[in-house]
Amino acid sequence: KAGVTQTPRYLIKTRGQQVTLSCSPISGHRSVSWYQQTPGQGLQFLFEYFSETQRNKGNFPGRFSGRQFSNSRSEMNVSTLELGDSALYLCASSFSVLAGGSPGANVLTFGAGSRLTVL
Amino acid sequence: QKEVEQNSGPLSVPEGAIASLNCTYSDRGSQSFFWYRQYSGKSPELIMFIYSNGDKEDGRFTAQLNKASQYVSLLIRDSQPSDSATYLCALTGGGNKLTFGTGTQLKVEL
Repeated sequence: KAGVTQTPRYLIKTRGQQVTLSCSPISGHRSVSWYQQTPGQGLQFLFEYFSETQRNKGNFPGRFSGRQFSNSRSEMNVSTLELGDSALYLCASSFSVLAGGSPGANVLTFGAGSRLTVL
Repeated sequence: QKEVEQNSGPLSVPEGAIASLNCTYSDRGSQSFFWYRQYSGKSPELIMFIYSNGDKEDGRFTAQLNKASQYVSLLIRDSQPSDSATYLCALTGGGNKLTFGTGTQLKVEL
């Protein structure tokens, strides 16, 4: 079956612009999470959506936002881009979200990522 | 103190040897632990997850968890050059918000 699909794969923007990234999860997966990966900070959690509801949010400014549609596809938006927003943005999907000791259901499968360069 | 600590490496091992990768964490409420492998320029891929104290084996890989000492490790037996990658330790206290370490770079030398 198809994996997690992210578009676009590469993009270049200038400071002050905004960008929208798209993620299509694995068929049947209802949870979508977004992560930012940079050489200095590593992988950092942005937010998580399940059934169109944001369940969790990381420590990022309000310029970072996201949403999930009824078909589980998700988008994230970054407004007023800064140089420091240059990063690999990874989307991950999972079947569900369970608390505690049943981790099999919340194993994340990552997409190939969208590499954003801000000039 | 970072929430998840990993030695950045590089950890160099000869082909056929056992590679031992370690991870310590600070949140005692952490419940599930994951090891991801990331090749240069690629996205992370899951190797194993573990949530009970002890060992969990899957082929050449063994994950070990000790919640009392707050560490989790990954052993790779019969290391191959194709195992050369960055290994990311991650954990969650529940849900899909994972906290990642910065990764250990493994180099398997011929």
